[in-house]
Amino acid sequence: ELKVEQNPLFLSMQEGKNYTIYCNYSTTSDRLYWYRQDPGKSLESLFVLLSNGAVKQEGRLMASLDTKARLSTLHITAAVHDLSATYFCAVDINTDKLIFGTGTRLQVFP
Amino acid sequence: NAGVTQTPKFQVLKTGQSMTLQCAQDMNHEYMSWYRQDPGMGLRLIHYSVGAGITDQGEVPNGYNVSRSTTEDFPLRLLSAAPSQTSVYFCASSYSNAVSSGNTIYFGEGSWLTVV
Repeated sequence: ELKVEQNPLFLSMQEGKNYTIYCNYSTTSDRLYWYRQDPGKSLESLFVLLSNGAVKQEGRLMASLDTKARLSTLHITAAVHDLSATYFCAVDINTDKLIFGTGTRLQVFP
Repeated sequence: NAGVTQTPKFQVLKTGQSMTLQCAQDMNHEYMSWYRQDPGMGLRLIHYSVGAGITDQGEVPNGYNVSRSTTEDFPLRLLSAAPSQTSVYFCASSYSNAVSSGNTIYFGEGSWLTVV
């Protein structure tokens, strides 16, 4: 059974600081997604990582994928309040069937 | 281009009632799926479809039926609602699963369902 584990589950960080969210998964996959969800809203696609060593950056967020270690990271640089949300990683096991992690609830305070 | 449209947005059901959550997409996507999200958890796959006339079960299919008579529509039916089905339901769609496509999976706005 595929398991996708994120840590931390909760993250409270000060504006301007850096931090990394980790996503570990238990089976082979070459495609991993990161999503953002604001309270009461749908999921917003952040990154699609398609191969080992893939790295993508958008603004203050950077995602990477190590398929050999079955690990993806989402790095936050110089956090700002607007980044406060819940972040999910999801592993694509086949035909766009996604298995989601439990999410990391990020709160950025002044 | 409306994207993925779900209806209704909110619904309250009594135990034992049946209902259908509607999902439509206007992007000509082959793949469609339904997920549920429970408090403090990620999304879990209920059913999915790789094209019209083809459906299959996901992680948590019990108590739900789906059909895919057209490319655009993928309704989710609750046969006999139970309190355990209280959740937020998301429909999603995407193009083919070619690895090189890097395609995005698009999610609807969600349907909040309460079963009392």
